[in-house]
This record gives sequence, structure tokens and C-alpha cells, in this order.
Amino acid sequence: SSELTQDPAVSVALGQTVRITCQGDSLRSYYASWYQQKPGQAPVLVIYGKNNRPSGIPDRFSGSSSGNTASLTITGAQAEDEADYYCNSRDSSGNPLVFGGGTKLTVL
Amino acid sequence: QVQLQESGPGLVKPSETLSLTCTVSGGSISSYYWSWIRQPPGKGLEWIGYIYYSGSTNYNPSLKSRVTISVDTSKNQFSLKLSSVTAADTAVYYCARGRVTVDYYYMDVWGKGTTVTVSS
Repeated sequence: SSELTQDPAVSVALGQTVRITCQGDSLRSYYASWYQQKPGQAPVLVIYGKNNRPSGIPDRFSGSSSGNTASLTITGAQAEDEADYYCNSRDSSGNPLVFGGGTKLTVL
Repeated sequence: QVQLQESGPGLVKPSETLSLTCTVSGGSISSYYWSWIRQPPGKGLEWIGYIYYSGSTNYNPSLKSRVTISVDTSKNQFSLKLSSVTAADTAVYYCARGRVTVDYYYMDVWGKGTTVTVSS
């Protein structure tokens, strides 16, 4: 079935590195895109494709993929990175497009 | 830069049809995929469907029987209709611009979202 699995919550100390993961069969065929959502705001694209950042996204955000797992890495997390993060992928098994359940990132 | 703005009723009665429009400004609706996504209170994002500017569509199978997405290129707008709504359809509804390649899809411009409540 079409499904992307994320850890519900992750925490990181200020200035440290954190990896947020997304697992699913579709990731063996397709790259994930990653979205940051702060409370009361619309999602913002932070990573897409193999490892592409839209204009304006800091270079501390990076993406990678291996097997059925996609990862979003924040190197040197800042207080403003505290948010919910969602992965999203194409899928060929039935649902053309699917979101992960989201990961709440806390910066300590 | 391109901006998206959702519009439509904030309150819909159960069993009726939810109708929303997304207006694209600052750019053309051509050559992109246009999605609707929703987020129930306190929950995650759910993709509803998308339409290519030419009119071809693709929907979430779980909603397909109730969803229609259409596009009006002359007005630079696309629209969502969701029929037979229940309280479970209460959510913030977002429209977004999407791009598709062979091995990925991403949505790079989003509207601010509009809250729709289903209640009598």
C-alpha cells in the first residue's frame, strides 16, 4: 500500500546535527520532497529531488536517500528550525502522491 | 513572484458540496501541476488531488469518488469540489503549485490555506 512512515517527534540540541527520516516502498523508485511547517503557517518546501534546495532555504538543510529511506539532515540546527517536517513522494502502487505523517522537531 | 490564494465558504453543511477556488497571481497557470492538500485540526497533511493546466487530473483514491478538480486558464484559477461532506472533512485546505519529473514531484508554492468547517 502507499505509505510513508516518519518518527512522530525528534529533538536536537541547539547547534547540533539532526536527521529526520522517512520510510516507504515508493522511495526505492522516487525521491522524496520535504516540507517545513510552523504553527499556523502553510508548509514550505525545503528539499526536493536528489538534494535540491529552493532559493532562500539555508544550506544547513540537506537531503539524501538510501533504499527505502529518505533523510532530511539539518547541520547546526537553529531555534527557528523548530517545526513540523513532512516528506512527500510520488507512488506507483495506487495513490499517485503521498505524505508522511510528519515529524515534530524540537530544538533544545 | 507567484502567489496563490484560496477562497470559498468557511462553513459547509453535512451532505453538501464543499467548493473552493485557488487564484494564481504573478505568473501563469500553464505548464504546472496544481494540487489541493488538506490538514484536519491537529493532524498531518493529506493530498487530495492535482490537475495539469491542460485539464488532466489525478486524485487520492480514498477521496476519488467525491472529488472533482477543474481549471480555468482564462481566469488563472483552479477549483476543488468535494461532495457529500461530513465532519471528517473539516480541515485547512491548501492549494499548491507542483512540478513533476520522472523520479520526483514537489510543490514549491503554497497558498496560506483556508479553514473549512463542516457543521449544521
